[in-house]
Amino acid sequence: GQNIDQPTEMTATEGAIVQINCTYQTSGFNGLFWYQQHAGEAPTFLSYNVLDGLEEKGRFSSFLSRSKGYSYLLLKELQMKDSASYLCAVTPRYGQNFVFGPGTRLSVLP
Amino acid sequence: EAGVAQSPRYKIIEKRQSVAFWCNPISGHATLYWYQQILGQGPKLLIQFQNNGVVDDSQLPKDRFSAERLKGVDSTLKIQPAKLEDSAVYLCASGLPTDTQYFGPGTRLTVL
Repeated sequence: GQNIDQPTEMTATEGAIVQINCTYQTSGFNGLFWYQQHAGEAPTFLSYNVLDGLEEKGRFSSFLSRSKGYSYLLLKELQMKDSASYLCAVTPRYGQNFVFGPGTRLSVLP
Repeated sequence: EAGVAQSPRYKIIEKRQSVAFWCNPISGHATLYWYQQILGQGPKLLIQFQNNGVVDDSQLPKDRFSAERLKGVDSTLKIQPAKLEDSAVYLCASGLPTDTQYFGPGTRLTVL
């Protein structure tokens, strides 16, 4: 079976740093994706990890440990517009569809 | 570059009625996905096409849901008859095997 876990909700303050964790148990592993989804909108791609380590892209970074089945998304210098759901998704095999986690709803407070 | 197009954006129907959704993927993307996203949950795959062939439809409720991609480009997803629990956003996505998926704006279905 395929299982992906994320915290349901998180709250942080504008300007702060927040880390959103994702753990996965899948039949295989060919990459992990993070998506951002604002309320009422479609998910948009944020980052991709296939090898262990940290990928940095501006204010957003994503980390992967394949041996632990663990990833996190790090958001720095939080802005109000970062209030959204963050979806962790794993593709078990090349060319196969994504298995999505339940999403973490982040609220950024002034 | 044009994104994934979907229509309609919103649909309200009564239970036991039929409904169809349309998706036009990004040009050149061989892979097309239909997802169901219930409020507060992550997207759940309904069906994956590679060109006009079905790769995975294991989670498609085949007694009421059907999908086709006859010419390997546009796709339609149909629900017949609809149930209350089908109320959700239906997302279409397209991509290449080595790339991320690009999502359309979705169709919000309300079944009364």
